Amino acid sequence: QSALTQPPSASGSPGQSVTISCTGTTSDVGGYNFVSWYQQYPGKAPRLMIYEVSKRPSGVPDRFSGSKSGNTASLTVSGLQAEDEADYYCGSYAGSSTFYVFGTGTKVTVL
Amino acid sequence: EVQLVQSGAEVKKPGESLTISCKTSGYTFSSFWISWVRQMPGKGLEWMGRINPSDSFTNYSPSFQGHVTISADKSSTTAYLQWSSLKTSDTAIYYCARNLDYYFGMDVWGQGTTVAVSS
Repeated sequence: QSALTQPPSASGSPGQSVTISCTGTTSDVGGYNFVSWYQQYPGKAPRLMIYEVSKRPSGVPDRFSGSKSGNTASLTVSGLQAEDEADYYCGSYAGSSTFYVFGTGTKVTVL
Repeated sequence: EVQLVQSGAEVKKPGESLTISCKTSGYTFSSFWISWVRQMPGKGLEWMGRINPSDSFTNYSPSFQGHVTISADKSSTTAYLQWSSLKTSDTAIYYCARNLDYYFGMDVWGQGTTVAVSS
């Protein structure tokens, strides 16, 4: 039940786009279309940004989008804003023995 | 408004027992699984386990199976996370979160409960 692999950091200037990858295996990311993405500010609880690979909950800006190819899921933040500076975690359903696994987390910096 | 409100910070000694709570409101408690998530100081998120409040059926991460117990009380619409014997390595922030469905996607989170275990 290893954590999904994310890059430790990503950055972009305001208005640019940044894409974060989330690599797993056929037992989690690659095996199911149940990948979620969470945003977390320091000292705050996580917030759901994307679920089921590409669906956005109500209230999440459409600048946030998700996709998946094989064992790797991606979160893209378009039109970066200062408020997007946060930690981002992916998560995936992982079958009926492990159930759920989070990614290692990526710190996004807006330059 | 859907809310998950967790109990306050705890300071405990190794070997002591502890139960923290997650009081829910604003939705039908029995209709959504509740997960517990650990975040150790300066570290990432770890899924611990979840409960289906309708029948108290639980799933645990293999990493946490046997170390914690998750329960729920429908009458008070509250979920619980329990330790029988704390270790210093249990020092962390613990979050409860509502699952959108069986396949997760945790859409509403509690504010977190800080647990500090030290001799």
